[in-house]
This record gives sequence, C-alpha cells and structure tokens, in this order.
Amino acid sequence: NAGVTQTPKFQVLKTGQSMTLQCAQDMNHNSMYWYRQDPGMGLRLIYYSASEGTTDKGEVPNGYNVSRLNKREFSLRLESAAPSQTSVYFCASSVWAGRTTDTQYFGPGTRLTVL
Amino acid sequence: AQTVTQSQPEMSVQEAETVTLSCTYDTSENNYYLFWYKQPPSRQMILVIRQEAYKQQNATENRFSVNFQKAAKSFSLKISDSQLGDTAMYFCAFMTDNAGNMLTFGGGTRLMVKP
Repeated sequence: NAGVTQTPKFQVLKTGQSMTLQCAQDMNHNSMYWYRQDPGMGLRLIYYSASEGTTDKGEVPNGYNVSRLNKREFSLRLESAAPSQTSVYFCASSVWAGRTTDTQYFGPGTRLTVL
Repeated sequence: AQTVTQSQPEMSVQEAETVTLSCTYDTSENNYYLFWYKQPPSRQMILVIRQEAYKQQNATENRFSVNFQKAAKSFSLKISDSQLGDTAMYFCAFMTDNAGNMLTFGGGTRLMVKP
C-alpha cells in the first residue's frame, strides 16, 4: 500500500515549456487534490476532483489544467510554464469531498523549477 | 474568506520538554474543522491532529494535544516530551463545510528539537 505517489520528484523547465505532473493513489479514495507550496508559505489549492469525472477550481487555478483519468489517477498540466509557477506541488486524496471530516493524505511532492 | 495565521516563524525546544505552537484563524462560519500537519525535511505532509469546531473537548493524540478556544478563534498545538523526530515545519489548517473540502493553511512554524 503506497498511499499517494507522485512523479516526477524533481523537474526543471524553461519558460514556455509544457509538462504534466502525475499523481496516483491506491487507497480507493474518491476525492483528489492538487496544491502548490511556495517558499515560506502554506499550501494553496489549485484544483480538486470530488469524484471520478468531476473537477473544480481551487484558490489558484490560473495557468493549470487537470484531468481525472480514472479513480486512481489525477494529473496536473502546465501548458506554458512561467517562472511564477516555480513551486513544490503536492497531490492529496481523501475518501469523499462531501464529508468534511475526511482527512487528506498527501504525496511526497514534486519540486518544479521554471527558468 | 478564511485566513489562518501562525505568528511564530521559528521555535526551538530541548528534547523531552514541552512546546506550544500558536494558530489563530478568522471565519464567519460556525461549523468548521481545524488541523495540524507536520512537514519533516522529507517534505511529506503528515496529519498530526484534527478538531471539529462543534466539539468542546480538546483533541489529543499521544504526545500531541490542542487547546481550542472557539470564541478567541485560537487553535494551539502542544507537544509534550519533545523528540528529535518532531523537528519539522508545522502547519495549521482550516476547512469549512462550504469550501468544497479546500484546506486553508497558515504560513507554518519551523520547530527545531535540540538534543
């Protein structure tokens, strides 16, 4: 039982390049989330998927797209990377978004640098 | 909008002693949930403890306990018998029923446990 896994662990991009961050969970959770963490700050929600087939914007969605590929996988895409998107990206999952007592379980993060 | 404030950027404590980390929040909601997450150098986000606002009793998890003061909108974390493995960033986080399961994080407190 690996929990939440993310690939890659590190990535360096040039401005304007595109890439997709991958996230998978093996806990049979319905809801998945993408956060970013900037230096010295807490995490901020980019997008979330309450259930397979649905996605919604979070606090900072601009510049990102997401795909809930199936129940296990939730990807985050940067179409044209900008230096402002340099950050650490975390994926998380929980049993069901409608139950606010659900705990979110986090992956190990992806450190992205955009030059 | 909800905000979460952690006023102590850094703290240190001697091994085996007790330390308290502060957190205040601002909300107009009556039903909400509060969390403390630990982020060690590995970057993994680990849930330490959570508290439902409708519960008057303070949550406790082994050496970790909270002092929840709803009227003062305060949610502090007490770590007893500090261990070297407690060295980490600690984030206070907040969630309401109306926010689509979005966690709002404070800026974090870096805790160093000294031998």
